[in-house]
Amino acid sequence: AQTVTQSQPEMSVQEAETVTLSCTYDTSESDYYLFWYKQPPSRQMILVIRQEAYKQQNATENRFSVNFQKAAKSFSLKISDSQLGDAAMYFCAYTGNTPLVFGKGTRLSVIA
Amino acid sequence: DTGVSQDPRHKITKRGQNVTFRCDPISEHNRLYWYRQTLGQGPEFLTYFQNEAQLEKSRLLSDRFSAERPKGSFSTLEIQRTEQGDSAMYLCASSVLQGRTEAFFGQGTRLTVV
Repeated sequence: AQTVTQSQPEMSVQEAETVTLSCTYDTSESDYYLFWYKQPPSRQMILVIRQEAYKQQNATENRFSVNFQKAAKSFSLKISDSQLGDAAMYFCAYTGNTPLVFGKGTRLSVIA
Repeated sequence: DTGVSQDPRHKITKRGQNVTFRCDPISEHNRLYWYRQTLGQGPEFLTYFQNEAQLEKSRLLSDRFSAERPKGSFSTLEIQRTEQGDSAMYLCASSVLQGRTEAFFGQGTRLTVV
């Protein structure tokens, strides 16, 4: 079964600085997708960024980018120029032939 | 609002009572998912539908849980004889196709069993 591991329960970053959230996953599938979701205190999950496993180029969405290392099964999220509104739970998620599997999340605090 | 809608947002019930939650997905989405999330944890998959067909159920979904999507539109999740361990946030999500596009989540139903 596919598993997703987020080893950082909590992280903090100074406003305007950069932070990297870690994620590793385990799978035997060759075709899959990876996601980072954000869950603010209001609890609605919002997609931050998506990476297709067959693409070697790392995905980028404005201040958010990923470092996808397929051989290492690693998928980290980098947030640049952190803003107060980035404070939230961040979940790494995997899907291949099964519905989304989530990690336990990383709580990100942004310090003004 | 064309997002995923869940009702109610909050539900407090006594142990042993039955509860039913509703999810209205984004209209053109044929896949609908139910997840359960407890405090400090990531969402755990419960079940999903493609149109009206229930394609997969997690081992987390005991016999007390049942989900339906009768016309391939909205879905209901019923919990019979609720237990305190059922207290959690129940999240619904929908997507066009699994994996190839993102899943859109509703705001969830917070269940408290007292």
